[in-house]
Amino acid sequence: GESVGLHLPTLSVQEGDNSIINCAYSNSASDYFIWYKQESGKGPQFIIDIRSNMDKRQGQRVTVLLNKTVKHLSLQIAATQPGDSAVYFCAENTSGTYKYIFGTGTRLKVLA
Amino acid sequence: KAGVTQTPRYLIKTRGQQVTLSCSPISGHRSVSWYQQTPGQGLQFLFEYFSETQRNKGNFPGRFSGRQFSNSRSEMNVSTLELGDSALYLCASSLAGGDYGYTFGSGTRLTVV
Repeated sequence: GESVGLHLPTLSVQEGDNSIINCAYSNSASDYFIWYKQESGKGPQFIIDIRSNMDKRQGQRVTVLLNKTVKHLSLQIAATQPGDSAVYFCAENTSGTYKYIFGTGTRLKVLA
Repeated sequence: KAGVTQTPRYLIKTRGQQVTLSCSPISGHRSVSWYQQTPGQGLQFLFEYFSETQRNKGNFPGRFSGRQFSNSRSEMNVSTLELGDSALYLCASSLAGGDYGYTFGSGTRLTVV
């Protein structure tokens, strides 16, 4: 498949363990954030979002935490499965700009 | 419900040529954004359109242009291709853009030789 990034930081976890992927965002004015998952040969797929008036949001097996003080986002995946193997990107948006700034991405490898 | 459709999936062009990429958004979505993805620079914003109007443009040379039609379909054009334009070009659509979130297509892989 196509390589999304040749030198991405990689997180390797055992199947069934929890994964935590971190992201430092760049703009203190950003007020909306999304985590995307990208598998080889595909476009980014929406996982979960959070607005700046929240510090935590939960979905199915995923939780996003937002720390505006240090401009940090994290994505927690519970009971990681082989199908979770992909590259994960955080993206930030500032209201009224209509553009997203993407992080560099983290490659998640799930070990059987 | 059909997703975001990008055509063609793969393209090989020669330096100096121009290329047009097409994007059909999800039905009902009026905002379309384009991104360039390369291993070295990651995902970089190109431009965003809503109801045929460009609302924002990224930091790319004027060789990169786009447009949106009345049916929300969008095209982007790159003229005078350079080797460095080789990338995956991603289109994403949204109901209204901004904090409505975007759904991405699978991209067009452009190779310039």
